[in-house]
Amino acid sequence: NAGVTQTPKFQVLKTGQSMTLQCAQDMNHEYMSWYRQDPGMGLRLIHYSVGAGITDQGEVPNGYNVSRSTTEDFPLRLLSAAPSQTSVYFCASSYRSHGEAFFGQGTRLTVV
Amino acid sequence: AQTVTQSQPEMSVQEAETVTLSCTYDTSESDYYLFWYKQPPSRQMILVIRQEAYKQQNATENRFSVNFQKAAKSFSLKISDSQLGDAAMYFCAYRSALTGNQFYFGTGTSLTVIP
Repeated sequence: NAGVTQTPKFQVLKTGQSMTLQCAQDMNHEYMSWYRQDPGMGLRLIHYSVGAGITDQGEVPNGYNVSRSTTEDFPLRLLSAAPSQTSVYFCASSYRSHGEAFFGQGTRLTVV
Repeated sequence: AQTVTQSQPEMSVQEAETVTLSCTYDTSESDYYLFWYKQPPSRQMILVIRQEAYKQQNATENRFSVNFQKAAKSFSLKISDSQLGDAAMYFCAYRSALTGNQFYFGTGTSLTVIP
């Protein structure tokens, strides 16, 4: 059972470049989400989804896009990378409205 | 929005001793879930313990236990017989049982275990 698979683990981007962080889960979880982790700020929600075709914004959505075409996958797109998006990104999934979140291994993204 | 506060950015404990990490939260809801996650240097987020608000009994998992005070909105984590492998960042998290659309995380407590 793979759980939540998040790729890549590390990425360096130049300002203005775009990229997609991949996230897949095999637990049939309805709820999936993306967080960014910055020193002293905990984890902040970027976007989330409660099922295929349904997404919504979290606390810090600017500069990021998501889509949910299947239950399993929830990619995060950076449209035009900025140094302020340098962070560690986590994908997480859970059952809807109850239970704990299961996390991917995280992506350390550096924008230069 | 709910807020979760961890007032101790850093804590240290001697190996084999006991340490308590503090967490308070703000909510007007009566039904919710609380969690403690551990993040070692590997960066992986690992669930340590969970508590359902409707349960009065404090959750325990081996050396880890919580002191859940619903009226005070307090959810502290006690680690007994601390081990070197317990050194990590610990995050407290809240999830509404009503909407459940977001986990709210505290800013974390960095725990150092001294040999």
